[in-house]
Amino acid sequence: DTEVTQTPKHLVMGMTNKKSLKCEQHMGHRAMYWYKQKAKKPPELMFVYSYEKLSINESVPSRFSPECPNSSLLNLHLHALQPEDSALYLCASSQANLQGNGYTFGSGTRLTVV
Amino acid sequence: RKEVEQDPGPFNVPEGATVAFNCTYSNSASQSFFWYRQDCRKEPKLLMSVYSSGNEDGRFTAQLNRASQYISLLIRDSKLSDSATYLCVVVTTSGTYKYIFGTGTRLKVLA
Repeated sequence: DTEVTQTPKHLVMGMTNKKSLKCEQHMGHRAMYWYKQKAKKPPELMFVYSYEKLSINESVPSRFSPECPNSSLLNLHLHALQPEDSALYLCASSQANLQGNGYTFGSGTRLTVV
Repeated sequence: RKEVEQDPGPFNVPEGATVAFNCTYSNSASQSFFWYRQDCRKEPKLLMSVYSSGNEDGRFTAQLNRASQYISLLIRDSKLSDSATYLCVVVTTSGTYKYIFGTGTRLKVLA
């Protein structure tokens, strides 16, 4: 299995909703990442988990809350988002020392906040 | 100055042309380098790693110049299917490895 699976593929949520994005990989990767990508912009790093521990938070607002329940799963909990948070949210995984083939990205969740 | 910079393009080239992209980075301690390709509304996909000695994969050649802090991607005999955004990636570490993406270069190959 060489894939990173993200669900849902599309999500529309209101500003008062609570929702979660899910990411799963079974490649034995011990580093997992959340990125946010706006149209015509490069992906921007949000969070890095290494060996299931949060190692980087790029000053992301607290309305985004990551969680890594085990080495295969990564969640992003969303609460009280703003319309400007609408974007493509990408999950990625890699070997912890980034040897080999770098990141593997999931196909993303396209989020629209209304 | 941005950590990783690319010419956003677009580069419009005819089929069969050779096209080259450059990417400059500011952190001299950067450790690894990659080129990714991203199609419209899709996730980035690894195109190739970049090594100091240069590496080639079919029509694609990547080079790293550490002294001048840039990486390059050369595409020979361009195909229509090469139309995409090409993102360079520079890896830094401060305990944890972190990908820094360039702004991306749009390529459109014309029939």
